[in-house]
Amino acid sequence: SAVISQKPSRDICQRGTSLTIQCQVDSQVTMMFWYRQQPGQSLTLIATANQGSEATYESGFVIDKFPISRPNLTFSTLTVSNMSPEDSSIYLCSVEEGQSAGANVLTFGAGSRLTVL
Amino acid sequence: QKEVEQDPGPLSVPEGAIVSLNCTYSNSAFQYFMWYRQYSRKGPELLMYTYSSGNKEDGRFTAQVDKSSKYISLFIRDSQPSDSATYLCAMSAINDYKLSFGAGTTVTVRA
Repeated sequence: SAVISQKPSRDICQRGTSLTIQCQVDSQVTMMFWYRQQPGQSLTLIATANQGSEATYESGFVIDKFPISRPNLTFSTLTVSNMSPEDSSIYLCSVEEGQSAGANVLTFGAGSRLTVL
Repeated sequence: QKEVEQDPGPLSVPEGAIVSLNCTYSNSAFQYFMWYRQYSRKGPELLMYTYSSGNKEDGRFTAQVDKSSKYISLFIRDSQPSDSATYLCAMSAINDYKLSFGAGTTVTVRA
């Protein structure tokens, strides 16, 4: 399965600043996904990033707040803009491993733990 | 109402016990059911997946799906301290890349 590296693994940021999270995959993948994991809550899909096209955002997430880049088939970035304490969360990059008999099997990075003061 | 409901626990069991985890869901279009395991400070990793109703066994792990009740379960037999983790259920419709996740159940297996 794909190996995903995320940077930074954790960070403490000040309110009002922005942070860019990087996701590097060791193989070429078509679809990359960005998830948010807040304590006690379900993993929530932020957006889907395909190379060469604009990211597709889920309800409740907007490009101005979470701009995404996907310059090639192995790399993506997620920026959390104008951060507030409510943005404190774990942000996870994931890729589709291919459909096993129709199931969308995802591989995840280790996550980036963000704390906003 | 959440699309997928999962008891967050925490669940603490002695080594060797059977661990029983479950999720309920509301979307009848879900056909694929997955269990992910997440160790502390790691990303989720796929443990098992099943299609439609039925049982699937993999070593000490058994996944069950009851679509008529919209209820899925994961059983861990002969639990080990290394099974201590958060277990997330996830599900999707056919050919839908979007997964709906439960909130996760934190399990601790005491040596």
